[in-house]
Amino acid sequence: AQSVTQPDIHITVSEGASLELRCNYSYGATPYLFWYVQSPGQGLQLLLKYFSGDTLVQGIKGFEAEFKRSQSSFNLRKPSVHWSDAAEYFCVVGYSTLTFGKGTMLLVSP
Amino acid sequence: DGGITQSPKYLFRKEGQNVTLSCEQNLNHDAMYWYRQDPGQGLRLIYYSQIVNDFQKGDIAEGYSVSREKKESFPLTVTSAQKNPTAFYLCATQGADFEQYFGPGTRLTVT
Repeated sequence: AQSVTQPDIHITVSEGASLELRCNYSYGATPYLFWYVQSPGQGLQLLLKYFSGDTLVQGIKGFEAEFKRSQSSFNLRKPSVHWSDAAEYFCVVGYSTLTFGKGTMLLVSP
Repeated sequence: DGGITQSPKYLFRKEGQNVTLSCEQNLNHDAMYWYRQDPGQGLRLIYYSQIVNDFQKGDIAEGYSVSREKKESFPLTVTSAQKNPTAFYLCATQGADFEQYFGPGTRLTVT
């Protein structure tokens, strides 16, 4: 069965510090991989996606993610976090139907 | 202005009543999805439709029903058989690379 694991429920990062959110997945073949962000009470916004090609993908808002096939991982990174990045982040995998991780809540401290 | 509209944003109902949540899109996407979100649970798939007049059950379809009579519309009915209907409901469409686009959501409270 497909599954997505985001091991960190909450992460607190100081403004201006770097960020890495972890994601591991279990799937029959290499699926499409996505990261979404959700602000409280809002819908989800797509940050970036990967299926093939360069394993380092760039997204919106300065985010990037690296696909590592050997580790079945797709970690999200940002070099310098801004207070407006505080939100919940979801790692998602699949094709016509998607499997969502349970999310990581990012808190940004001054 | 292309996008997905969900209405209303907040909905309150008494236990035992059916309630229908609206989802409309003008992205011209074939596939549409309904998810339920509970705190700490991520998103769970209720129903999806890949074409007009056809839909499939997702992981948690019990107590819910849908219809897909038009490409633009995919309403979700929460029936009285749904044991715990209070939740945040999200509608989505799917683009060419399987990415999904989400509406703003409807928060349903049943008392």
